[in-house]
Amino acid sequence: AAGVIQSPRHLIKEKRETATLKCYPIPRHDTVYWYQQGPGQDPQFLISFYEKMQSDKGSIPDRFSAQQFSDYHSELNMSSLELGDSALYFCASSDREMNTEAFFGQGTRLTVV
Amino acid sequence: AQSVAQPEDQVNVAEGNPLTVKCTYSVSGNPYLFWYVQYPNRGLQFLLKYITGDNLVKGSYGFEAEFNKSQTSFHLKKPSALVSDSALYFCAVRDIRGSTLGRLYFGRGTQLTVWP
Repeated sequence: AAGVIQSPRHLIKEKRETATLKCYPIPRHDTVYWYQQGPGQDPQFLISFYEKMQSDKGSIPDRFSAQQFSDYHSELNMSSLELGDSALYFCASSDREMNTEAFFGQGTRLTVV
Repeated sequence: AQSVAQPEDQVNVAEGNPLTVKCTYSVSGNPYLFWYVQYPNRGLQFLLKYITGDNLVKGSYGFEAEFNKSQTSFHLKKPSALVSDSALYFCAVRDIRGSTLGRLYFGRGTQLTVWP
C-alpha cells in the first residue's frame, strides 16, 4: 500500500539559510499535518491543511510557512534557519471524511550547522 | 485542552514476559486515543486506536490496549514480548472538534527495551 512520502530524508543547512521540505500524502487523503520532533522530544504539531486550505496552526514559527498544492502534496518552507530548528520533521496524512487515523511519513531530519 | 501522560520514560521486560506501557489522558469530550511506535530514525507507525466500542482494542503485531474511562487510561499491552518490540512508544489523543480538529497531542514517549 502507498505510504506518505517525504523528501529529502536528510538535510544539512547552515544558519540563516532556507530549507524546503516536501510531503506527498497517501492518495485520496484530504488532510496533511506537519509535526516537529526535537531530540528526545515528543512530536509537536506545526500546521495542517484540509482540501488545500490551512485548517489548523500550532506552534509554528513565523519564519516557517507551508502550503498544500492542487495535487495535495505539501511543502514546509523554513527561512532564517536557527540551530534550534534541527529536528525530525514529520508529515502525516489522513482521510477526514472517513475519520481514519493519521499515517506518518519517515520524516526529514534537518540539521542546522 | 487535550493531553496525554506517559508516566514511565523506560520499560524493561524479558522476552516472553507480558508488557504494559502506561498512558493516561485528559480530554474535553469523548476521547480518540492512539498508540504509535517509533523505531530509530524512522517514522511513527500506527499500532491501534480507540474511538468507540469495546474497551479492549486489538492492533498490529499482537499489541492491544485497554480503554478505562473511570481511570482515564489507555494502557498498551502485549501478552508475550519480543526483542523486536524494543522501540519508542507514543500515546496520543486527537482533537475531535473545532478549529483544531485532527491535531494529535502526544505523550513524552516510553522507551521499551526487551532483553533476550
